[in-house]
Amino acid sequence: DAGVIQSPRHEVTEMGQEVTLRCKPISGHNSLFWYRQTMMRGLELLIYFNNNVPIDDSGMPEDRFSAKMPNASFSTLKIQPSEPRDSAVYFCASRKRGSSYEQYFGPGTRLTVT
Amino acid sequence: QKEVEQNSGPLSVPEGAIASLNCTYSDRGSQSFFWYRQYSGKSPELIMSIYSNGDKEDGRFTAQLNKASQYVSLLIRDSQPSDSATYLCAVQTGANNLFFGTGTRLTVIP
Repeated sequence: DAGVIQSPRHEVTEMGQEVTLRCKPISGHNSLFWYRQTMMRGLELLIYFNNNVPIDDSGMPEDRFSAKMPNASFSTLKIQPSEPRDSAVYFCASRKRGSSYEQYFGPGTRLTVT
Repeated sequence: QKEVEQNSGPLSVPEGAIASLNCTYSDRGSQSFFWYRQYSGKSPELIMSIYSNGDKEDGRFTAQLNKASQYVSLLIRDSQPSDSATYLCAVQTGANNLFFGTGTRLTVIP
């Protein structure tokens, strides 16, 4: 079975540009998580969805960040406008239905904002 | 106080030795605990989960949980150079999400 799929794998953009990161969770998983990882702050949860509904977006750093999950197989994380401090690796993870809390991570998108 | 704290490392052990990684957590109500391995430039990979007090063994890996002490550990027996990575402790706190420690970098010296 395919794991979590993310695109693009690498993104380089200029400050002020809009950036859209994409994620396809594992089929049958009903929860989806967006994380950001930096050397300084480690792995931080930005937002998560259950059954396509955003449950907790308290980790979203600013209004410049937004996330959507229009259906069970697709989610986007958008940054508009981007800033150099947004440079990080962004991971998407999904979790299967049921009582287990095990999350499975995608390969990540390395974002560089110049 | 951080939700999840780990030894900052780095931790270096010779090949064949036992590597011991430790983690403490602050929420006494936490029920699920995980260890992830992350190679440089890669994504976190789930290697162990533990839900009840005691030990859980999987191959060369043993997870240990002590809820009274709010402590979880990972032992890696017969350490191999391929075990060199950053190990992240994660704790389920609240209804749905995990809190991650900052990770311990392990280097196994051939």
